[in-house]
Amino acid sequence: DAGITQSPRHKVTETGTPVTLRCHQTENHRYMYWYRQDPGHGLRLIHYSYGVKDTDKGEVSDGYSVSRSKTEDFLLTLESATSSQTSVYFCAISEPSDGQVNTGELFFGEGSRLTVL
Amino acid sequence: QKEVEQNSGPLSVPEGAIASLNCTYSDRGSQSFFWYRQYSGKSPELIMFIYSNGDKEDGRFTAQLNKASQYVSLLIRDSQPSDSATYLCASPSDSWGKFQFGAGTQVVVTP
Repeated sequence: DAGITQSPRHKVTETGTPVTLRCHQTENHRYMYWYRQDPGHGLRLIHYSYGVKDTDKGEVSDGYSVSRSKTEDFLLTLESATSSQTSVYFCAISEPSDGQVNTGELFFGEGSRLTVL
Repeated sequence: QKEVEQNSGPLSVPEGAIASLNCTYSDRGSQSFFWYRQYSGKSPELIMFIYSNGDKEDGRFTAQLNKASQYVSLLIRDSQPSDSATYLCASPSDSWGKFQFGAGTQVVVTP
């Protein structure tokens, strides 16, 4: 158990409203990620963080922002939700391995299902 | 754009048979590959990873990597109904935790 908690687990909102998803971890991991999962697309990286106030964009970052003011919390915000952002959102942490080959796996939270009407 | 591709399935496998899942990738520089299993409504969990050419076995699972042909496969021997899930192939991008995922192959093991 990687100690990752996402909230809310389910949310229905209307187009144009702001939404914030929270990822909380209890084991002091530096590296945290937000992915979205849609049918036919697999998991796609939205934003990631390598430490407090150290964040960067992933491949599908448009319409999303993140903040990390504490090691344990990584927030994903949709400033003005659109129907195309209806998805399942997964937070993940990673522990890098030693050596030059990346063998560090991702540990995922339970997911947050967001529906934008 | 680095790509990882999988057949979406569903792949129907009789109980006790071997399930064979394939994944191709476009980036010749990719060094390691991960197989995740995801049950319906749940989060993905790692089954195994491989970074050397050849086979890697872990229990009933065998991962095979062929860098020259740019494909990686997962074999599930003695398939059980509990193996019914979606299997995601993934390869790291340029740094830790940034993975390129395939769309996943759904496996259905029939009794």
